[in-house]
Amino acid sequence: EAQLVESGGGLVQPGESLRLSCAASGFTFSTYWMTWVRQGPGKGLEWVVNISPDESEKYFGDSMRGRVIVSRDNTKNSLFLQMNSLRVEDTALYYCATFWSPYKGAFHIWGRGTMVTVSS
Amino acid sequence: QSALTQPPSASGSLGQSVTISCTGTSSDVGGYNYVSWYQQHPGKAPKLIIYEVNKRPSGVPERFSGAKSGNTASLTVSGLQAEDEADYYCSSYAGGRGYVFGTGTEVTVL
Repeated sequence: EAQLVESGGGLVQPGESLRLSCAASGFTFSTYWMTWVRQGPGKGLEWVVNISPDESEKYFGDSMRGRVIVSRDNTKNSLFLQMNSLRVEDTALYYCATFWSPYKGAFHIWGRGTMVTVSS
Repeated sequence: QSALTQPPSASGSLGQSVTISCTGTSSDVGGYNYVSWYQQHPGKAPKLIIYEVNKRPSGVPERFSGAKSGNTASLTVSGLQAEDEADYYCSSYAGGRGYVFGTGTEVTVL
């Protein structure tokens, strides 16, 4: 069964950094586009970034562009999100998900998310 | 990134139908056929139920259907069941802006 498990969330102060991880299993991770989507407390979903299977293409949403670095290690079936200069408004549950395959333009397999709280 | 507009809430009786709208612009919903819908139960991750406007992933019941007209997409849930009570989000490809989600609709089954 395909599965994604996020980790690395926690409580940080404004301006600090945090690195999230997403461990994949049950599917050929190295062939999938991946994405990060976040959801603020009691709020809707917000797309953060997409990354291609070979890391050659990365597309960022406006909210975190310039403050995040997305990467992956296909040998370890892992996806990462390095978040810098965090703001209070970045407080959210961060989900990783598969993207495009096999359903074009859609986010298919989702993890359960990891919570990031930015507060002084 | 401006979110797509959905009604905050919708409701229907058991066995009846409910339709949720998702309004964007010609730069997102109206410009591409990459509209998808997600169901999210409280405390759970979203689940893909419609992709490419009107296609259902494997395992999603036929009573979930999608459509699009101009800049507005819609999701219809027919034969409402108790387990359909959830939040629903639309999403669309938006060209250079990447992907945008809708504001979300809470569906209540009466």
